[in-house]
Amino acid sequence: NAGVMQNPRHLVRRRGQEARLRCSPMKGHSHVYWYRQLPEEGLKFMVYLQKENIIDESGMPKERFSAEFPKEGPSILRIQQVVRGDSAAYFCASSGLGTENTEAFFGQGTRLTVV
Amino acid sequence: KNQVEQSPQSLIILEGKNCTLQCNYTVSPFSNLRWYKQDTGRGPVSLTIMTFSENTKSNGRYTATLDADTKQSSLHITASQLSDSASYICVVSARGSYKLIFGSGTRLLVRP
Repeated sequence: NAGVMQNPRHLVRRRGQEARLRCSPMKGHSHVYWYRQLPEEGLKFMVYLQKENIIDESGMPKERFSAEFPKEGPSILRIQQVVRGDSAAYFCASSGLGTENTEAFFGQGTRLTVV
Repeated sequence: KNQVEQSPQSLIILEGKNCTLQCNYTVSPFSNLRWYKQDTGRGPVSLTIMTFSENTKSNGRYTATLDADTKQSSLHITASQLSDSASYICVVSARGSYKLIFGSGTRLLVRP
């Protein structure tokens, strides 16, 4: 019974390239959340998705960042034209319900390094 | 502004000793408070979750307390083990919101 699966675990990109981060939620979960953790800081909310819908993307930078959660397959966080400041750990969490008291389970994260 | 502050930033204790970590929050209206453990290079793992009406919750050697009036929480670790070395993160949710508001964590190092 796999938990939240993220891949790759580590990703190195040169400035200007695209980064694609994938997240497969726990079985039976249809709510996915992406968080970003900058070095020495707490996790910060980026986006909340349900199957085929973006519910809240208020934490996403306005440019270069996008997220999707298709009917089939994992959720994807896409960063275009990466810059050094995008270097961070990106965590995905999933839950069975979207209510505020629901347990959210986190993946191991993808560590993006932009060189 | 909704914020979660933790203290101390880091802590070193000897194996077998107890310790207490602190969390203050300004999130309003309050819904619930969670404590997570995050090992280096891993994702956060939930230890406890408490709603407004709960003032203590235990999970093995971990005991969390909540004072919703003073907006403070603590995490007490009993008889520490080397495997307790990790970051402990206080996370708060506002009522009606699914967003988790994270503190910066307390880095605990347990030495033999």
